[in-house]
This record gives sequence, C-alpha cells and structure tokens, in this order.
Amino acid sequence: EVQLVQSGAEVKKPGESLRISCKGSGDRFTSYWINWVRQRPGKGLEWMGRIDPSDSYTNDSPSFQGHVTISTDKSISTAYLQWSSLKASDSAMYYCATERPDSSGLPEWGQGTLVTVSS
Amino acid sequence: SYDLTQSPSVSVSPGQTASITCSGDKLGDKYVCWYQQKPGQSPVLVIYRDNKRPSGIPERFSGSNSGNTATLTISGTQAMDEADYYCQAWDSSTSHVVFGGGTKLTVL
Repeated sequence: EVQLVQSGAEVKKPGESLRISCKGSGDRFTSYWINWVRQRPGKGLEWMGRIDPSDSYTNDSPSFQGHVTISTDKSISTAYLQWSSLKASDSAMYYCATERPDSSGLPEWGQGTLVTVSS
Repeated sequence: SYDLTQSPSVSVSPGQTASITCSGDKLGDKYVCWYQQKPGQSPVLVIYRDNKRPSGIPERFSGSNSGNTATLTISGTQAMDEADYYCQAWDSSTSHVVFGGGTKLTVL
C-alpha cells in the first residue's frame, strides 16, 4: 500500500507561479502512476492528468494542457503540479492519487492541497 | 471526449437499499470504479472493475455494469453512508480518466 502526503495550503496572487507536491511512501514509487485531480469548491472531481514516475511520461487532460505542468523526481518519490501564471479560477482543492495499469481505479489519495488565488 | 452522467441526488431511508447510477455510451464495455467522498475528506475507492471491493470496504457496497449504465448499490444503508459518490471510467481512445458529475446521497 502507498501513502501520499501533499504539501500545505497556498495563498497566491493572480499571475504568480506555484508548485505543489505529493510525496509517496510504502511501495516502490515507480510501481504506480500519479494522477492529479481538481475539485473546485462545491463541485465535482476533474481529472487533470497523470505521470509515470518510471519514465516521466505524462498524459494530460485537454482541459488543462498548456496551463499546468506535471512532473516527478523519483529520487525523492515526489510528484509535482506546477503553474507558471495562476488565475483566480485555479482556486480549488488539488488531490494526487495513485493508479496502476490494471484498471483497479485510483486506490490511494493524498489529503489534498488547497490553493487560493486572490488579489 | 467521453462523458459520464450521474443524477445529482438520491435519497434513501436508513436500512433501505440505495441505487446510484452512472450512464455513458457503451459503458458496459469499460471498467467502472466508484468513489465515496464525505465533506472535508479525500475520495475513497469503494468499487473497482465494476464490482470488486477494496479491502476494508463493507459488503453492503456492490456494483454492476451493463449496456450503458453502471450501478452502485448500497444495501442496508447507514447514516455513515451519506456522502457524494462519483463514478469513474477510462476513455478507451486516450486512456484518460473520466469522472461522473457526482451524486449526493442523503440518508433521511
């Protein structure tokens, strides 16, 4: 089993950059993919994309392509979600979650990182 | 892109059976998962591969998937089951993860 621990809440201004993190422990970090999921206040889950830490291959949702970057540093078992220029509409809770290539879903989730973007 | 549709809300009396549906084109040809999310908490996987329960998930949770509809069934619903439930599948052409819009289950 894997445990995912995410970085803490962030308050940023529009136009600022931000990188949030998701650190895995337990199973070998390269044995599962890491997904990022957005949840705006009072709204549903939105899949943003995933990364395979073994080769850093990413598969991104068209809805988020070009606005966020998913990356990983397998040497420290950590995945990242990064923005170069935040918008107010990026205010949301962001979750990382594991996935294995066997259609067993997203079994392990981080505790979430709340991002607030406000002038 | 592939879309999954859920009813916004379902109500059930304690002890009764709750059915939450998820519809999508030829959904029965795909694997479906279900997640439970309680206020202020991260989602929890309760069903994977249509009808498999992860360890620790009570037997009252079950799933089925056929045709264009997947169903999460909660037998003997308890007050603690009140939560938002999301279905999830994969877009076979892109392997993208797709979530339904979520269903709020109220236990009256």
